[in-house]
Amino acid sequence: AQSVTQLGSHVSVSEGALVLLRCNYSSSVPPYLFWYVQYPNQGLQLLLKYTSAATLVKGINGFEAEFKKSETSFHLTKPSAHMSDAAEYFCAVRPNTGNQFYFGTGTSLTVIP
Amino acid sequence: DAGITQSPRHKVTETGTPVTLRCHQTENHRYMYWYRQDPGHGLRLIHYSYGVKDTDKGEVSDGYSVSRSKTEDFLLTLESATSSQTSVYFCAIQGDRYTGELFFGEGSRLTVL
Repeated sequence: AQSVTQLGSHVSVSEGALVLLRCNYSSSVPPYLFWYVQYPNQGLQLLLKYTSAATLVKGINGFEAEFKKSETSFHLTKPSAHMSDAAEYFCAVRPNTGNQFYFGTGTSLTVIP
Repeated sequence: DAGITQSPRHKVTETGTPVTLRCHQTENHRYMYWYRQDPGHGLRLIHYSYGVKDTDKGEVSDGYSVSRSKTEDFLLTLESATSSQTSVYFCAIQGDRYTGELFFGEGSRLTVL
């Protein structure tokens, strides 16, 4: 089965600083990759997805992620953190075959004013 | 808005009682999923469905059953609830079949006393 590793269950950044959330997957064949955001007491919302087109993917709210096959990584970044970015972030993968999605354990982002 | 409604949104029940959670979609999507979310575990797949009366188990299916008699409804049943099933349950539908992301409902918070 696929596994998804998110390094750092909690990340704190200052407002205006770079946000970097890490995600690594285990697969010899590049899967479909996703980042989701979850605000308190809400469901998950899609930030962005990689579907084997451009390796640098731009999403909503100024987030982007870069797919690196050699590192089996799909890290999420944002140049300048905003207070409204405070939330839980999940990385997910879907293998090229089948329709099951596998999620990481999540990273809670705190933005310090 | 992906047109997903979960009910009930909150439920408190006692150990040993049956519980049914309902997921209703208005988008006519084929694939539907039930996940549970627990701190430190991220989202874990319970069951999913790929059509009316077509369902399959996920990684944490023990103690749960599902049914899908209509395209729009996917029911999750706990035959005899246990305290370990206290969790937040999310229903999701898959958009585009080949590259599509999941769209999530708002979640159902279940507490088993």
